[in-house]
Amino acid sequence: GNSVTQMEGPVTLSEEAFLTINCTYTATGYPSLFWYVQYPGEGLQLLLKATKADDKGSNKGFEATYRKETTSFHLEKGSVQVSDSAVYFCALSPDAGYALNFGKGTSLLVTP
Amino acid sequence: EAGVAQSPRYKIIEKRQSVAFWCNPISGHATLYWYQQILGQGPKLLIQFQNNGVVDDSQLPKDRFSAERLKGVDSTLKIQPAKLEDSAVYLCASSLSEAGGNNSPLHFGNGTRLTVT
Repeated sequence: GNSVTQMEGPVTLSEEAFLTINCTYTATGYPSLFWYVQYPGEGLQLLLKATKADDKGSNKGFEATYRKETTSFHLEKGSVQVSDSAVYFCALSPDAGYALNFGKGTSLLVTP
Repeated sequence: EAGVAQSPRYKIIEKRQSVAFWCNPISGHATLYWYQQILGQGPKLLIQFQNNGVVDDSQLPKDRFSAERLKGVDSTLKIQPAKLEDSAVYLCASSLSEAGGNNSPLHFGNGTRLTVT
């Protein structure tokens, strides 16, 4: 079946530290991959996406590259801020227009 | 644009009671989703509508859960009777894309937090 596995949290970092949140996927065919973010008290928001192999999604300083050879879509940011504290969800859509399958989420806490 | 609207924001009921949640998607969005998010887990799809038709309800516990989208706009999710394990946040999302069309992002509402005691 189609699924994503992401690293367990919580992740605690100091401001300006480098962030990596690992995500690997299992899918038939060529899924689209997403990162969603949930800030405290808010709904899920799309952070970035990639629709084919070697695509790089980027937004707000975050990046993730769709690696078919390693079935991965790791989220990275070079210098995190306190305002990045949130829960991050990796997700895949097996085909265009189909519902997302989400990972369990990784909680990130950035301290000043 | 106005976002996905959900109500109520919170609901507390006793087990075996019934409850209903309402969702108003973004105007013009053909696809509507209901997800269940249990504390500490990622959202799990319950049902996906394309206009007023069901695309996927394979993970909907049909003995107690039902959902409808009669006019292809608003949707209601009902639980009857509720169990303790139904305590979760129920998220509604909508997107422009139709099944098989170009992928477009999901827009989520803030959810309804259900507590079953």
